[in-house]
Amino acid sequence: AQTVTQSQPEMSVQEAETVTLSCTYDTSENNYYLFWYKQPPSRQMILVIRQEAYKQQNATENRFSVNFQKAAKSFSLKISDSQLGDTAMYFCAFMTGYSTLTFGKGTMLLVSP
Amino acid sequence: NAGVTQTPKFQVLKTGQSMTLQCAQDMNHNSMYWYRQDPGMGLRLIYYSASEGTTDKGEVPNGYNVSRLNKREFSLRLESAAPSQTSVYFCASSEGGGGKPEAFFGQGTRLTVV
Repeated sequence: AQTVTQSQPEMSVQEAETVTLSCTYDTSENNYYLFWYKQPPSRQMILVIRQEAYKQQNATENRFSVNFQKAAKSFSLKISDSQLGDTAMYFCAFMTGYSTLTFGKGTMLLVSP
Repeated sequence: NAGVTQTPKFQVLKTGQSMTLQCAQDMNHNSMYWYRQDPGMGLRLIYYSASEGTTDKGEVPNGYNVSRLNKREFSLRLESAAPSQTSVYFCASSEGGGGKPEAFFGQGTRLTVV
């Protein structure tokens, strides 16, 4: 069974600074996908970024980037130039091509002025 | 573009009452899912449907039933609600079948069982 571990229940950062959220996973599969979802107070689940395991290049989406270390089974999210609107719960998630999404327990990120 | 629509958004039930959470998607997705979210637990899979006509248990199926009514709709039923089922419930869908892996979520249902 796949597992996803987020070891930081809470993180805080000041506006304009950079923060990194950690995620590790465990799987015996070779082909899979990794995701970071954001859940603001509105409760909506928003896809932030996606990484395919077969791609060596780390995914980036504007201020969001990942550090994907396949051998270490690590998938961290870096948020640059943090904004107040980044305050949210962030979930790391994993799936294979035909499986369902498995989520970590989440990291609550608070961005302060 | 509605995406995934869940109803209701909020519900309060008494212990022992039954209810059905409705979910519909307009993206022609094959796969649909029901998750529950509890503090400190992340999202846990209750049931999923890989395609129309099939359903499978997830991590926490006890106390729930599902129906994949057609390709668009996937409902979750609580036959006899218990306080332990107080949670936020999310429906999601994805292409499935090896297609794009992204899951799209509804806005969630906050259910309180008293």
